[in-house]
Amino acid sequence: QSVLTQPPSVSAAPGQKVTISCSGSSSNIGNNYVSWYQQLPGTAPKLLIYDNNKRPSGIPDRFSGSKSGTSATLGITGLQTGDEADYYCGTWDSSLSASVVFGGGTKLTVL
Amino acid sequence: QVQLQESGPGLVKPSQTLSLTCTVSGGSISSGGYYWSWIRQHPGKGLEWIGYIYYSGSTYYNPSLKSRVTISVDTSKNQFSLKLSSVTAADTAVYYCARDQAAGTIDYWGQGTLVTVSS
Repeated sequence: QSVLTQPPSVSAAPGQKVTISCSGSSSNIGNNYVSWYQQLPGTAPKLLIYDNNKRPSGIPDRFSGSKSGTSATLGITGLQTGDEADYYCGTWDSSLSASVVFGGGTKLTVL
Repeated sequence: QVQLQESGPGLVKPSQTLSLTCTVSGGSISSGGYYWSWIRQHPGKGLEWIGYIYYSGSTYYNPSLKSRVTISVDTSKNQFSLKLSSVTAADTAVYYCARDQAAGTIDYWGQGTLVTVSS
């Protein structure tokens, strides 16, 4: 059971837009920055979004992030078949058991 | 460009200690400003944070693994290491080393190494 909750799967057609949600609590998302990671099959995760809504150099602006309260959202526009991957949210949990926590991951299928 | 590379045995016997090393290139661990992390992924499952270390030696561990985990750093070799004791089949996973900017912003990852626990 992951500390952060994501939908197991989402799907959309090429060219369309999709959003992936990540729900947490005041001890994690509510009071800390959220990051998003893309994991293509057989590869290591890659940082897509950090500090809720910032993109590292080289990440296209088709990818966006937002946060409201204890939830965060990853948005992907202009879907491409190459976007098929697992997506994870992550943040710091500042409860007594302070640690980095991740969502369970969302499998994106581009139909 | 920072690069990280995991190394260590791919097969460990139950009850023994899993030991992995991460070699960092393209950046110095001792320059500070980053936390050097271990993360694992069970087959077909999500990401699990194991812990991280600062160049000074300060460590933070996942509470669920804390009793079995030791992360250490060797700044002279620009390496950091993971030891996980008393392993069982449940510790079979791909182990990643990574660099954390702060509190979960992990900007560089190693390619990962599969460690299987089996007799």
